[in-house]
Amino acid sequence: AQSVSQHNHHVILSEAASLELGCNYSYGGTVNLFWYVQYPGQHLQLLLKYFSGDPLVKGIKGFEAEFIKSKFSFNLRKPSVQWSDTAEYFCASHSGGGADGLTFGKGTHLIIQP
Amino acid sequence: DTGVSQDPRHKITKRGQNVTFRCDPISEHNRLYWYRQTLGQGPEFLTYFQNEAQLEKSRLLSDRFSAERPKGSFSTLEIQRTEQGDSAMYLCASSSTSGPNIQYFGAGTRLSVL
Repeated sequence: AQSVSQHNHHVILSEAASLELGCNYSYGGTVNLFWYVQYPGQHLQLLLKYFSGDPLVKGIKGFEAEFIKSKFSFNLRKPSVQWSDTAEYFCASHSGGGADGLTFGKGTHLIIQP
Repeated sequence: DTGVSQDPRHKITKRGQNVTFRCDPISEHNRLYWYRQTLGQGPEFLTYFQNEAQLEKSRLLSDRFSAERPKGSFSTLEIQRTEQGDSAMYLCASSSTSGPNIQYFGAGTRLSVL
């Protein structure tokens, strides 16, 4: 069975600080990886995804993530956060090539202080 | 709005009552997924359909839960004899079989069982 771990449940940063949110997955086969964001009062939105190819993927709003197969990691980064990045962030996976449901981590609640 | 639509947005019910939720996927998507999200947790997969066929069910989907997608378009999720532990956000997502499995989420139905 797949599992996804997010290391930080709550993160508080000041505006312009750099961000890195950790995500580790456990699955032996080919895996597809995602970061979703949920802004207050809104639905889950896709930030970025990794299926294959370049392990450094860029998403919306200046976010990027790096797939490191040897570490089973897919950490999310942003060089300079804004107050509007305050949200819940979820890492998720599913088996590559499959139609199965996503396995989510517990989420990281990010608060950006102005 | 051509995104995933869920109805109702909120449902309050008494323990023991039956409830039904509806999900309308993005129109060209033939895969439809149901998830449950409780406070402080990431979404957990319940079941998914490809067209009208229910292809996978999680062990979380007890006998009191049933999902249908009779014409391969909208789907319903029914919970019979609700329990307080059923209180959660029920999320629907859809994706297309043409291309990678990228799931787009609706706003969810928040169920409160009193």
